[in-house]
Amino acid sequence: EVQVLESGGGWVQPGGSLRLSCAASGFTFTNYVMSWVRQAPGKGLEWVSAISGSGGSTYYADSVKGRFTISRDNSKNTLYLQMNSLRAEDTAVYYCAKGHRTNLNWFDPWGQGTLVTVSS
Amino acid sequence: QSALTQPASVSGSPGQSITISCTGTSSDVGGYNYVSWYQQYPGKAPKLMIFEVSNRPSGVSNRFSGSKSGNTASLTISGLQTEDEADYYCTSYTSSSTVVFGGGTKLTVL
Repeated sequence: EVQVLESGGGWVQPGGSLRLSCAASGFTFTNYVMSWVRQAPGKGLEWVSAISGSGGSTYYADSVKGRFTISRDNSKNTLYLQMNSLRAEDTAVYYCAKGHRTNLNWFDPWGQGTLVTVSS
Repeated sequence: QSALTQPASVSGSPGQSITISCTGTSSDVGGYNYVSWYQQYPGKAPKLMIFEVSNRPSGVSNRFSGSKSGNTASLTISGLQTEDEADYYCTSYTSSSTVVFGGGTKLTVL
């Protein structure tokens, strides 16, 4: 069964940092684009970032560019999101999702999400 | 990148059909056949319902169908069931090599 499972969420003060992880199983991890998508409380979904299967190409939403860094360790089947200079508006449930083999096409499946709260 | 435009809410009775629209621009919806649709229940992770405009993943009911005309994509649910009551989101690939989501549509089955 294809699964992704996020971890690493929690409470952090504005300006702080946090690293999210996403453990993948049930598929050849290195063959697929992986993405992060977030959802602020009571709000809609917002795409955050994506990374190619090899890790050689990364993509970011303007709202996080320069503050967040996506990476992957294909030897550990794990996706990461390093979040720096966090702001209150970054408060959200962060979902990890498996993507297409080569492009930013669709997201399936999604993990259960991990909550990040940025507050003083 | 501006969000795709979806109606905030739609409603229908059991057995009826409804359509949710998703309007973008020639830089996203109109420029690529990379439109997908997701269903989300409260407190749950989204689920892929339609990919590449009109394709259904294995296991998704054939009551769900997708289409596109110009800069507007559409999700149609036929034979509405109470279990279809959820939030629905569209997405599209963009010319900036990013992904944009719609604002979401709350479907109420009366």
